[in-house]
Amino acid sequence: GEDVEQSLFLSVREGDSSVINCTYTDSSSTYLYWYKQEPGAGLQLLTYIFSNMDMKQDQRLTVLLNKKDKHLSLRIADTQTGDSAIYFCAERASGGYNKLIFGAGTRLAVHP
Amino acid sequence: GAVVSQHPSRVICKSGTSVKIECRSLDFQATTMFWYRQFPKQSLMLMATSNEGSKATYEQGVEKDKFLINHASLTLSTLTVTSAHPEDSSFYICSARPFGRENSYEQYFGPGTRLTVT
Repeated sequence: GEDVEQSLFLSVREGDSSVINCTYTDSSSTYLYWYKQEPGAGLQLLTYIFSNMDMKQDQRLTVLLNKKDKHLSLRIADTQTGDSAIYFCAERASGGYNKLIFGAGTRLAVHP
Repeated sequence: GAVVSQHPSRVICKSGTSVKIECRSLDFQATTMFWYRQFPKQSLMLMATSNEGSKATYEQGVEKDKFLINHASLTLSTLTVTSAHPEDSSFYICSARPFGRENSYEQYFGPGTRLTVT
């Protein structure tokens, strides 16, 4: 079946790098995503990666994809207090309507 | 571009009443829209997939008669929570996939609607 798992909480010091990890089960997923959600708000697409890529970098964000292990990570360089939020990993399921399956979300807390 | 709106953003209703939530793609057409619900401090759970001009596809465990979905045009899908009860209180989020770009990564989310049933 389809399942996405991620750790629930991460605490980092301002200026350090944050690494949020995610595992998924659908080996046929075409796209994998990272979304950010601030309290009371909707989802903001941070970045995505196509399944035939190993890495994608976008300013402070680096996504690594290990298809063999079905492991996805998001690295945020120079983490700032404004990065405090919940980060959701999602996979685009193969077949049907290619729905997005979300992980439980990782709460990132950035402290001085 | 690629903006999805939801209306209302917040609604409080009495138990037993029905509530309609609208999801609109403002600058693109969407043959497929998705409805999610999110309980506090939890993930997004897909409720149903809405397709323009046809019946919605509901996820297992979601009551079709309770959560009525209508996708009447290429820019509008509505979710009606019928005979709402306090356990239906949640954050409802829609998303839309642009017509003609169904195989791309694109899926745009609305800002969400917070429903509170008293």
